[in-house]
Amino acid sequence: GIQVEQSPPDLILQEGANSTLRCNFSDSVNNLQWFHQNPWGQLINLFYIPSGTKQNGRLSATTVATERYSLLYISSSQTTDSGVYFCAVEHPRGDTGRRALTFGSGTRLQVQP
Amino acid sequence: DTGVSQDPRHKITKRGQNVTFRCDPISEHNRLYWYRQTLGQGPEFLTYFQNEAQLEKSRLLSDRFSAERPKGSFSTLEIQRTEQGDSAMYLCASSSTRAGDGQYFGPGTRLTVL
Repeated sequence: GIQVEQSPPDLILQEGANSTLRCNFSDSVNNLQWFHQNPWGQLINLFYIPSGTKQNGRLSATTVATERYSLLYISSSQTTDSGVYFCAVEHPRGDTGRRALTFGSGTRLQVQP
Repeated sequence: DTGVSQDPRHKITKRGQNVTFRCDPISEHNRLYWYRQTLGQGPEFLTYFQNEAQLEKSRLLSDRFSAERPKGSFSTLEIQRTEQGDSAMYLCASSSTRAGDGQYFGPGTRLTVL
């Protein structure tokens, strides 16, 4: 099946710093989503971005589908940004199902005051 | 739009008991998904419905697991004869068939099997 790798696995920032999270995937995808999982376990949608660039406030994302990677940028980080960030892809020929999302292992972000 | 809801939020059971979880998707969404997440890992796909039809099932969905979506609205996930290895967060998601949209997740049901 498709492999999804996220880096770095852990990241500690001071409040106000910027960061870039990376997601590499091993095959073509129909869909790519970024999520933030808060300390209570809720997965919050950040971006639906199978290709191109999107921005939402302090967050932006870029997916280069031909090179099989996506980047999530967090600027001027705040303590509320802490949590785990997941990249997930929908693979058209996935052995887990065409509509299934395959998740990476996540990047655990801690923003210190 | 009240989002995806799940009930219960927490369930503690003894090994060998049966448990059932409920998911109510976003009202206009006709696709519904179940995932399982263990500590320190990303969610893993279990099964997917479009309307009332169960279209895809993961190999993770053993014969002790069954999911239904009888009227194409809410869904239930039942685990029979629970085992300690079933302890996990069970997440439900929904989506529409509209292009350019993605899956939206509920708050999850945390299952602990003693």
